[in-house]
Amino acid sequence: QKEVEQDPGPLSVPEGAIVSLNCTYSNSAFQYFMWYRQYSRKGPELLMYTYSSGNKEDGRFTAQVDKSSKYISLFIRDSQPSDSATYLCAMRVSGGYNKLIFGAGTRLAVHP
Amino acid sequence: EADIYQTPRYLVIGTGKKITLECSQTMGHDKMYWYQQDPGMELHLIHYSYGVNSTEKGDLSSESTVSRIRTEHFPLTLESARPSHTSQYLCASSDSLNSGANVLTFGAGSRLTVL
Repeated sequence: QKEVEQDPGPLSVPEGAIVSLNCTYSNSAFQYFMWYRQYSRKGPELLMYTYSSGNKEDGRFTAQVDKSSKYISLFIRDSQPSDSATYLCAMRVSGGYNKLIFGAGTRLAVHP
Repeated sequence: EADIYQTPRYLVIGTGKKITLECSQTMGHDKMYWYQQDPGMELHLIHYSYGVNSTEKGDLSSESTVSRIRTEHFPLTLESARPSHTSQYLCASSDSLNSGANVLTFGAGSRLTVL
């Protein structure tokens, strides 16, 4: 069983829609949770990270962590065609060797 | 501008050739990493380095080797390429000062095709 599960999509939405991207995980020791965005033919870039449970908002993006359910989400409000990319969740335990575990990524297409 | 650079971006070679993928970063990060990414699959760590003269193998077994002679440079070498090595190789770096979250900065990737 994979430590991090992510629906590969593709997810296709109209411009202006609210997008919900999700990951589930099995390791209850994960403390840091991140979302990376990867455009075609580019490397991943960090969107947001959160520590432990709770919400974090940055502009149109909101990251949520529910440690009791081992479930994290990224919400995109007022989605734009420029949001079309693959979104990767990543997480790690606190301390020790800094190993990030990545999900396989969800492909998102926002059409005008 | 601080960044991380990978060359070549695309490489098509024949079986048995030796190749080196270059990675350089200008951010002064002490930690550097090589990941392998295949379509629809997770990023898999194949090598990492915590500093000069420090290299370790990652979780995914790889026939490649790396070296870290300078802080900013972390090349990956395949002595004899095979079709099974066809993949996207991503280089990344991070700063010990941000060791909690370990935020990675990625290069644009090197796409290798072995015929």
